[in-house]
Amino acid sequence: AQKITQTQPGMFVQEKEAVTLDCTYDTSDPSYGLFWYKQPSSGEMIFLIYQGSYDQQNATEGRYSLNFQKARKSANLVISASQLGDSAMYFCAMREGPNTDKLIFGTGTRLQVFP
Amino acid sequence: GAVVSQHPSWVICKSGTSVKIECRSLDFQATTMFWYRQFPKQSLMLMATSNEGSKATYEQGVEKDKFLINHASLTLSTLTVTSAHPEDSSFYICSAPTGTLGGYTFGSGTRLTVV
Repeated sequence: AQKITQTQPGMFVQEKEAVTLDCTYDTSDPSYGLFWYKQPSSGEMIFLIYQGSYDQQNATEGRYSLNFQKARKSANLVISASQLGDSAMYFCAMREGPNTDKLIFGTGTRLQVFP
Repeated sequence: GAVVSQHPSWVICKSGTSVKIECRSLDFQATTMFWYRQFPKQSLMLMATSNEGSKATYEQGVEKDKFLINHASLTLSTLTVTSAHPEDSSFYICSAPTGTLGGYTFGSGTRLTVV
């Protein structure tokens, strides 16, 4: 069964606008961590934001915020004030349980920012 | 911050030969290293987990005799693709948990092409 689901293979957004990238997850473990990474065409993985399952508040990092809805098991990434340099693949990932460091990735969303 | 140096960044080899990919943690000790494979326009698929001083743990469907993993020291993990075939052509990337928020540092990846 798919643990991490990203239903948007591609998204377009105009520069300076906000965009939401969807991510839903599936776990029965009460302790887990959710991550978002950006992968430009060079292939490097750039960490954007982290949300722990017990965190009371939604995580924010600069222009990135995570809309964490625990009951719905969703962890959507919101990018505000999009920039041309935001064009890349975006992956949602989950670390499941307190006793593992294994990180499982979703299928990714390709974001394209146009002027 | 924690850095993982991955080499080579790209390699072309002939069918039937073996290729070794190295991931070296430069400023921290990596007791665990995760190895991922990423086909074009697809997600990162976890292949195996290497632990310093012990045998690697392979994910279901990954041939352990084909993808040899060695983690002989706290700063070096290697992946050897043995008897490579064109279908092994892919992007291979390593990742180590760093124990900090944000959790992981990734190598820059190796693009393997088997001809």
